[in-house]
Amino acid sequence: GQNIDQPTEMTATEGAIVQINCTYQTSGFNGLFWYQQHAGEAPTFLSYNVLDGLEEKGRFSSFLSRSKGYSYLLLKELQMKDSASYLCAVTDSNYQLIWGAGTKLIIKP
Amino acid sequence: SQTIHQWPATLVQPVGSPLSLECTVEGTSNPNLYWYRQAAGRGLQLLFYSVGIGQISSEVPQNLSASRPQDRQFILSSKKLLLSDSGFYLCAWSVQDSDGYTFGSGTRLTVV
Repeated sequence: GQNIDQPTEMTATEGAIVQINCTYQTSGFNGLFWYQQHAGEAPTFLSYNVLDGLEEKGRFSSFLSRSKGYSYLLLKELQMKDSASYLCAVTDSNYQLIWGAGTKLIIKP
Repeated sequence: SQTIHQWPATLVQPVGSPLSLECTVEGTSNPNLYWYRQAAGRGLQLLFYSVGIGQISSEVPQNLSASRPQDRQFILSSKKLLLSDSGFYLCAWSVQDSDGYTFGSGTRLTVV
């Protein structure tokens, strides 16, 4: 079956750095997405990785290792507004998007 | 620029009543369109997707249906709602994989 694993919840301190991991087992791979979802709102697109390596976008970076079926989202200089759920999703060989259940990130002052 | 409109934002419906949620996209042609449901504290569940007018693929057997009467319009319907249909319904569109999915603002449905 197809499976995406990410921690249910993480806590970090304002100003710090946090890494949210995602491992996946899917039938084929055509890209990995990270989305941010604030409580009660729709998910918003953060990043897309299709090749191995690190993609950096301001305070957010996303890493992919296809051979390990592994990705992480790195958030630097955490702000209170970063408190949200972070969803990992993988496009399989049929170009269907498989979603993880999300990681709830709690930022403390 | 591309925008996606989804309404209503919230809805409270009695069990057994019908449902119609509408989603429209502006600023793009021939998008892929999706209906997702998210239960409280859970991940996104794909309900339907469409690659063109009149083309609907169903992912989960249920008492819901979808239609795409126009290129940029996607409708989610039910003839008789169940309590288990409660959830957060999201419409999304995509064109290229690298652009990701763009979601509408969502409809929070409570069936009572």
